[in-house]
Amino acid sequence: NAGVMQNPRHLVRRRGQEARLRCSPMKGHSHVYWYRQLPEEGLKFMVYLQKENIIDESGMPKERFSAEFPKEGPSILRIQQVVRGDSAAYFCASSPQGPQYEQYFGPGTRLTVT
Amino acid sequence: QKEVEQNSGPLSVPEGAIASLNCTYSDRGSQSFFWYRQYSGKSPELIMFIYSNGDKEDGRFTAQLNKASQYVSLLIRDSQPSDSATYLCAAGGSQGNLIFGKGTKLSVKP
Repeated sequence: NAGVMQNPRHLVRRRGQEARLRCSPMKGHSHVYWYRQLPEEGLKFMVYLQKENIIDESGMPKERFSAEFPKEGPSILRIQQVVRGDSAAYFCASSPQGPQYEQYFGPGTRLTVT
Repeated sequence: QKEVEQNSGPLSVPEGAIASLNCTYSDRGSQSFFWYRQYSGKSPELIMFIYSNGDKEDGRFTAQLNKASQYVSLLIRDSQPSDSATYLCAAGGSQGNLIFGKGTKLSVKP
């Protein structure tokens, strides 16, 4: 019973490049969440998606960030024109029901912007 | 601004003792509460969730919820060095998404 999968685990990008982070939820889970964690900081909610729909993107920066969860394939968090301040750990979580229920986290993608 | 507050610690307890971790939340509409354990450099791991007032026990862990006081706690009995980690408290916000505290760092000394 595979857990939440994320790739890549580590990603290095130069300033101005694009970063694409992928997340496959646990089997049977249709609710996906993205969080960002800065060093020594708490987890910050970014976006909540169900298949083909963005349900809540209140935590997403207004520019450069986008997310999708297509009918087929993993959820993708895209960061365009990365800056040094985007360096962080990005975690994906999934749940079998909505966000009031337990969420299970993937191993994370550690993004470093040089 | 909906918030979840935790004492950042570090909380240091001797091996075999009870570790008590506390959390308060500001959103009275929150209905679900979670405790996650996060080892350094790793992802959060769900260890307990609680929806109703009172206590919920699972092995060495007990979660306690008091909605009137907007207070959640986690007790770890017979603490082990392997329990040394950061413990994150989260509340299911009335608008849906989880709101996390910054975590309490627990250190269990052999």
